[in-house]
Amino acid sequence: ETGVTQTPRHLVMGMTNKKSLKCEQHLGHNAMYWYKQSAKKPLELMFVYNFKEQTENNSVPSRFSPECPNSSHLFLHLHTLQPEDSALYLCASSFHRDRNTEAFFGQGTRLTVV
Amino acid sequence: GESVGLHLPTLSVQEGDNSIINCAYSNSASDYFIWYKQESGKGPQFIIDIRSNMDKRQGQRVTVLLNKTVKHLSLQIAATQPGDSAVYFCAEKSGGNQFYFGTGTSLTVIP
Repeated sequence: ETGVTQTPRHLVMGMTNKKSLKCEQHLGHNAMYWYKQSAKKPLELMFVYNFKEQTENNSVPSRFSPECPNSSHLFLHLHTLQPEDSALYLCASSFHRDRNTEAFFGQGTRLTVV
Repeated sequence: GESVGLHLPTLSVQEGDNSIINCAYSNSASDYFIWYKQESGKGPQFIIDIRSNMDKRQGQRVTVLLNKTVKHLSLQIAATQPGDSAVYFCAEKSGGNQFYFGTGTSLTVIP
């Protein structure tokens, strides 16, 4: 248990559905991240939030929409996804950039788009 | 651009032997490195880290070596156990918040 909790653990959705992934941490971290993990590929950074402000958006399609209402919670809203978006979506948190410490990961949400 | 890669995608070792997993990086400005372990169905778990002002760091049964001259990082696992079977990732950071990850090495421990 890393202290980063993701829900749901598994999600199957149709291409016309709207769903949201949730991430929560109570580690006192002020940076939160969304990563996409596909088979045989490195972890792909999607979004970074520092103190609730989005600081990175790595050319992610608009069908993925992040939300960070506070430093402890992070959401990823999904809309009109494609089958190639099926992957493991990982949330992570860490202290702010000025501190070189590790990122803690959640268990991930296994997303299947049908 | 950033590039973090692993020399071998898979590694099989006998239980009790030592394991060495290698990682190369391309950004000479990287100043912080981490090794993660990811078991099936789980998120990556922190194993050990090292800052660029160090060459070696030891943990419990694990050692990380950093060679900045050739931009190479390695993870050594002593007396490898079946529970060590997993995918191992290296990650590096060069300021900012972005961690760059390699593709991972799958370690299989043969009983």
